[in-house]
Amino acid sequence: QKEVEQNSGPLSVPEGAIASLNCTYSDRGSQSFFWYRQYSGKSPELIMSIYSNGDKEDGRFTAQLNKASQYVSLLIRDSQPSDSATYLCAVNQAGTALIFGKGTTLSVSS
Amino acid sequence: KAGVTQTPRYLIKTRGQQVTLSCSPISGHRSVSWYQQTPGQGLQFLFEYFSETQRNKGNFPGRFSGRQFSNSRSEMNVSTLELGDSALYLCASSLGQVPDTQYFGPGTRLTVL
Repeated sequence: QKEVEQNSGPLSVPEGAIASLNCTYSDRGSQSFFWYRQYSGKSPELIMSIYSNGDKEDGRFTAQLNKASQYVSLLIRDSQPSDSATYLCAVNQAGTALIFGKGTTLSVSS
Repeated sequence: KAGVTQTPRYLIKTRGQQVTLSCSPISGHRSVSWYQQTPGQGLQFLFEYFSETQRNKGNFPGRFSGRQFSNSRSEMNVSTLELGDSALYLCASSLGQVPDTQYFGPGTRLTVL
């Protein structure tokens, strides 16, 4: 059973702080990793994808992947109240379905 | 370019009935995936279709079925509805096969009474 684990939260950070969201996965053959954001009552939207070890930056978002530790994280710098949402980690092995974690709820207070 | 559309947006059914949900992908996208989202289980994969062929199927009973048409539109059907089938059903389309970037539709909220 392939699993993707995330702390459910809520993770609470003050405005302007760095939010760190973590995800571990069980399938060592996983090749593609994604972070989705889901606002309450809305559908998920893709924030970042990462495929190789290391960091990938896009604006205020940085995804970090460590395949040896089977760990992927998302850092949000200068957190804003509009970042308050549930963040879903998703993992995929070629030819198989995308497996989602249950998500971490982030709350950014102003 | 129009996004993924799903119909209907809300549905109320009673136990034992069947239901058909529809998904129209983004124009040009050939892959459609279906997910069930519940507060307790999160997003769970149902099935993926690419060019009218089912590529992957999740761990759901045979009451859940789907298909994809030549224009890439997809339908999923749930027969003999159970209370536990109450959920948000999300459809996602991608240009190519997973793991191409998936774009989600707004979902269909199904309530089974």
